[in-house]
Amino acid sequence: EAGVTQFPSHSVIEKGQTVTLRCDPISGHDNLYWYRRVMGKEIKFLLHFVKESKQDESGMPNNRFLAERTGGTYSTLKVQPAELEDSGVYFCASSPRQGYTEAFFGQGTRLTVV
Amino acid sequence: RKEVEQDPGPFNVPEGATVAFNCTYSNSASQSFFWYRQDCRKEPKLLMSVYSSGNEDGRFTAQLNRASQYISLLIRDSKLSDSATYLCVVESGYALNFGKGTSLLVTP
Repeated sequence: EAGVTQFPSHSVIEKGQTVTLRCDPISGHDNLYWYRRVMGKEIKFLLHFVKESKQDESGMPNNRFLAERTGGTYSTLKVQPAELEDSGVYFCASSPRQGYTEAFFGQGTRLTVV
Repeated sequence: RKEVEQDPGPFNVPEGATVAFNCTYSNSASQSFFWYRQDCRKEPKLLMSVYSSGNEDGRFTAQLNRASQYISLLIRDSKLSDSATYLCVVESGYALNFGKGTSLLVTP
């Protein structure tokens, strides 16, 4: 069974550009989460989808970040315009039910803004 | 104050040693507790959940003290393959709160 897949694995963009990260959860997992780790800091929660609905987006840093999950399958996280402090590793996770005991993380997208 | 605090290490131990990691958390309403393992440039992977009664999985033993808001992980008979970063993780609401991780290096 395929795990959580994220694309791209790496992205280098210039400040002010737009980047879209994609996450494909494990098939059948209604819950999808986005996290990120900026250099030197701990992994931080961004938001949680249940199917196509945002359950909790309290961790989104500002309105330059937009997450969507149309159709309740894959999700995208768009950063527009990107700033230097957005550099980090963005992880996606999915689980079949709310809670993390059955959650799996993707390998992450390493974003570098220059 | 950080939600989850843990000693960053690094812990350098010889093969066969026993090593213990500790962690404290600030939100007394937290519901679930975990230890994750993260290898270099890889995703975090669930190592084990942590229960108040304490739980064991092979060489790994986890303990939770809700009164002290303290979590521990004990690794017995360390293997080279145990080298990784160990993340103390606390679930609050819909989110996981991660510690910064404790680095373990097991040497021959």
